[in-house]
Amino acid sequence: AQSVTQLDSQVPVFEEAPVELRCNYSSSVSVYLFWYVQYPNQGLQLLLKYLSGSTLVKGINGFEAEFNKSQTSFHLRKPSVHISDTAEYFCAVTGSFSGGYNKLIFGAGTRLAVHP
Amino acid sequence: EAQVTQNPRYLITVTGKKLTVTCSQNMNHEYMSWYRQDPGLGLRQIYYSMNVEVTDKGDVPEGYKVSRKEKRNFPLILESPSPNQTSLYFCASSNRVPGAEQFFGPGTRLTVL
Repeated sequence: AQSVTQLDSQVPVFEEAPVELRCNYSSSVSVYLFWYVQYPNQGLQLLLKYLSGSTLVKGINGFEAEFNKSQTSFHLRKPSVHISDTAEYFCAVTGSFSGGYNKLIFGAGTRLAVHP
Repeated sequence: EAQVTQNPRYLITVTGKKLTVTCSQNMNHEYMSWYRQDPGLGLRQIYYSMNVEVTDKGDVPEGYKVSRKEKRNFPLILESPSPNQTSLYFCASSNRVPGAEQFFGPGTRLTVL
């Protein structure tokens, strides 16, 4: 079965520091990868996605992620975080497995807490 | 404004009392899906629909029903809710294109006593 592992359940960081949220997936087939953000009491919003091409993907709010096929990873990074980045972040994968290319398999989430 | 709406946003009910959570999208999307979110488990798919009158089970379908009579609406039905269905529920929609972004509703927080 396909799975997504987010290696850190919580990441505390000070404002203006860099951050990396780690994500690994298990799949032997071609996949598409996503990062979603969930602000308190809101739905999920797409940060960025990897479909094909350049392995470095840039998203909204200064976030970027790098697809590494050999390590089956898709880590999310931001060089300098703000208080407003405090949220829960979900890594997700879809591919040519059960449910087709629209079914998202989510990781458990990483709670990013930015402190002043 | 393109959006997915859900109602109600909050619901407290008792075991066995049938309830329906509505979901509607205004983006003409073919694909719609329901997820539940539980701490430490992320989001798990309950049911999905590829188009009108086409629905199928996701990973955690037990205790739920869905219907897709119109393209824009995809209600989630709990015919006999139980406490283990206490959760945060999200509806999502997208085009049926590989890699398409899924748009999520604001969520429905359900408590079953």
